This record gives sequence, structure tokens and C-alpha cells, in this order.
Amino acid sequence: NAGVTQTPKFQVLKTGQSMTLQCAQDMNHNSMYWYRQDPGMGLRLIYYSASEGTTDKGEVPNGYNVSRLNKREFSLRLESAAPSQTSVYFCASSGATSGSGYTQYFGPGTRLTVL
Amino acid sequence: GDSVTQMEGPVTLSEEAFLTINCTYTATGYPSLFWYVQYPGEGLQLLLKATKADDKGSNKGFEATYRKETTSFHLEKGSVQVSDSAVYFCALRSGNQFYFGTGTSLTVIP
Repeated sequence: NAGVTQTPKFQVLKTGQSMTLQCAQDMNHNSMYWYRQDPGMGLRLIYYSASEGTTDKGEVPNGYNVSRLNKREFSLRLESAAPSQTSVYFCASSGATSGSGYTQYFGPGTRLTVL
Repeated sequence: GDSVTQMEGPVTLSEEAFLTINCTYTATGYPSLFWYVQYPGEGLQLLLKATKADDKGSNKGFEATYRKETTSFHLEKGSVQVSDSAVYFCALRSGNQFYFGTGTSLTVIP
């Protein structure tokens, strides 16, 4: 039972390049989330998916797109990376499975630098 | 809208000192409340939670009580250890959304 996994762990991009961050969970959770974490700003929600087939914007969606590929996987795409997107990105999931009680579980993060 | 406000850091304590990190919230309805801990280079891990008023969450010597009358969920530990050095986040769940405080950095010195 791996929980929430994210790939890659580290990435360096040049301005204008694109990339996709991958996230998968094996807890049968309905809801999945993408956050970014910047110094002094805590966690900010980029997008979330309440259930398979639905996605909604969070607090800071500009410059990002998401895909809920199936119940397990939720990817985040940067179409044209900008230095302002340098951050640590966390994927999380939650759901009313036995024992979790809608608690949110986090992946280990992707550290992205845009030059 | 819903939000969480937590005590600004950083906090530096000596080993075996008493810890309090304040957290207050604004929410409609009856949110669930959480404390998460983040160690350097890692993701957030659930530390404890409470789902209704007067519930006390506890784990690894940490405690927090859901106080509806003061809309608070302060984190406490009686005797901190060096290994407790981390960043602590207060959070609430309202519907499908989670709202996080900005985090409080704790350093415990021997």
C-alpha cells in the first residue's frame, strides 16, 4: 500500500517548456488535489477533482491544466513554464474509505525549478 | 469564506519545553480540523484530527481540542524533543475542500 505517489521528484525546466506531473493513489479515494507550496505562503490549491470525471479550479489555476485519468490518477500539466511556477508541488487525495474519515493524504512532492 | 489562521513562527524551544501553537478558524457549518506535520524535504503527514466540537485529537504526545466557542484548535505538547523539529500546519475540511494555515516552523534545540 504505497499511498500517494508522485513523479518526478525533481525537475528543472527552461522558460517555455512543458511538462506533466504525475500522481497516483491506491486508497480508492474519490477526491484528488494539486497544491503548490511556496516559502511563507503555505499551501495553495491549484486544482482539485471531487470524483472521477470532474475537475475544478482552486485558488491559483492560471498556467496549469489537469486531467483526472481514472479514479487512481490525477496529472498536472504546465503548458509553457514560467519562473513564477518554480515551487514544490504536492498531490493529495481524500475519501470516505474505512479508517480515513475524509482525511487528506499527501504525496512526497515534486520540486520544480524553472530557469 | 472558510479560512485558518495560525501562529506565525519560527518557534525555537529547548528540549523538554512545553509547546503551544495557536490555530483559529473561520467556517460555516461544522468543519473537521487537522494538524499536519512536514519534515524537511518531505510531504505533509497527518498528525491528529478532530471531527466535532469538544473532540480531542492526540498522537505522539501532541494534543489539540476542537473548541467551537472560541473557534480554535491549538496544538500542545508537554515536552518537546529534537525530533519534533518540523513545520506544523493547521487545516480544516469543509465539504470537499481543505484550507491550510501558512505553517509554523518549530526548532527544538538540545
